[in-house]
Order: sequence, then C-alpha cells, then structure tokens
Amino acid sequence: NAGVTQTPKFRILKIGQSMTLQCTQDMNHNYMYWYRQDPGMGLKLIYYSVGAGITDKGEVPNGYNVSRSTTEDFPLRLELAAPSQTSVYFCASNPGQGNTEAFFGQGTRLTVV
Amino acid sequence: QKEVEQDPGPLSVPEGAIVSLNCTYSNSAFQYFMWYRQYSRKGPELLMYTYSSGNKEDGRFTAQVDKSSKYISLFIRDSQPSDSATYLCAMSAPSGTYKYIFGTGTRLKVLA
Repeated sequence: NAGVTQTPKFRILKIGQSMTLQCTQDMNHNYMYWYRQDPGMGLKLIYYSVGAGITDKGEVPNGYNVSRSTTEDFPLRLELAAPSQTSVYFCASNPGQGNTEAFFGQGTRLTVV
Repeated sequence: QKEVEQDPGPLSVPEGAIVSLNCTYSNSAFQYFMWYRQYSRKGPELLMYTYSSGNKEDGRFTAQVDKSSKYISLFIRDSQPSDSATYLCAMSAPSGTYKYIFGTGTRLKVLA
C-alpha cells in the first residue's frame, strides 16, 4: 500500500493563478481531510469528506474548493491564489468505524508570490 | 480562547531525560485524544491514542488524560536524539466525522 499520496510536493504560484492539489489513498478509507499548516499555528481543517459525493467545510474553507467523485481521490482547488494561502497542505484519510487514526500524506509546500 | 492550547517550545533536553509534553483544552465533548509526531518536512504520524480518561503506555511513551482538568500529557522516558521532532496533540468529539482539532505542536530537540 502506498497510503496517502499527495502531488505536487512543491509549487510556486503567482497571485491570481489557480491550481489543484492532488490527493489519493489506496486504503479504501471513507473519510478524507485537507489541512493547512502554518508556522506556530498547528493544523487547520480546510475541508473534509465522509464518503464519495459528500464534502463539507472545515475551519478555514475560504478560497478553496473540493470534490470527491471517488473513494480514492480528494483534490483541493485554489481558484485565485493569494499570498495568505502560502502554507504546507496535508491530506489525510481515516477508515472510520471506531478507528480514529488518521493517515497523513507527505504534504505539498505551496508558495504564492 | 483556543479550543486546544499547546506550548510551542522549543524544548531542548539532554539524551536520557524524561520529557513531559502537555495540552489543555476547553471543549468537554472531546473523548478521543491523540499524540502525533512530525519530523521536519514530513507528514504527522500517530504516536499514541487514548479514549476518555486514563493512562496508556507504549514502550518509552506514556499518554495521560485528565478530563476533570481538561489536560493531557505525553511522557517520553530515556529520550533519544531520534525523538527530536514536533509533537502535536489532537482531539475529537464523537461526531461521526472523525474531525480532529490540533494543538500548535511542541518542537522537541534531544541533545546527544
């Protein structure tokens, strides 16, 4: 099993550009999450999904969109990149059913200039 | 007031020391308490998980939860340089979504 795979690992965007951060998991987990991590701020939940076709907002959803057309994939879309979106983005998945361990990807380091 | 408070450190200790890491929280609905370890430029990995109150031990690591004080701790015995990392506490309530609230993380450095 590859676990949770995120691409790309690094990206530099110009203000106003758009991009999609890819996340895929091969563990057949229903629950998937997107977090951002800023220095000294811990992990903040952006969006989450409890299954294919179902998504919901987390603590900091503004400026982002998600979709969940399959169990495996949970892409995060930035439409109009802003410097405030410079961060490290982590995707995670959880099998649910009483198992509370979330498995994280290796992160995408995004800089908006 | 933040839902979860954690001292960001950094915390530097000599090899072999006992390390104590702590978090406080305000939401009495939290039932699941976790400690994640994050090495530099890597994703977090689950270290310890505790449900409700009590202690849990795994090798050199002990997790404690005191729900009456809304306080959780992670103890590392015989600390090693390989323990140098950021330690994040995380908590969730039984909502069916398994959403976690994370602390800011404490950066630990164990000196050889």
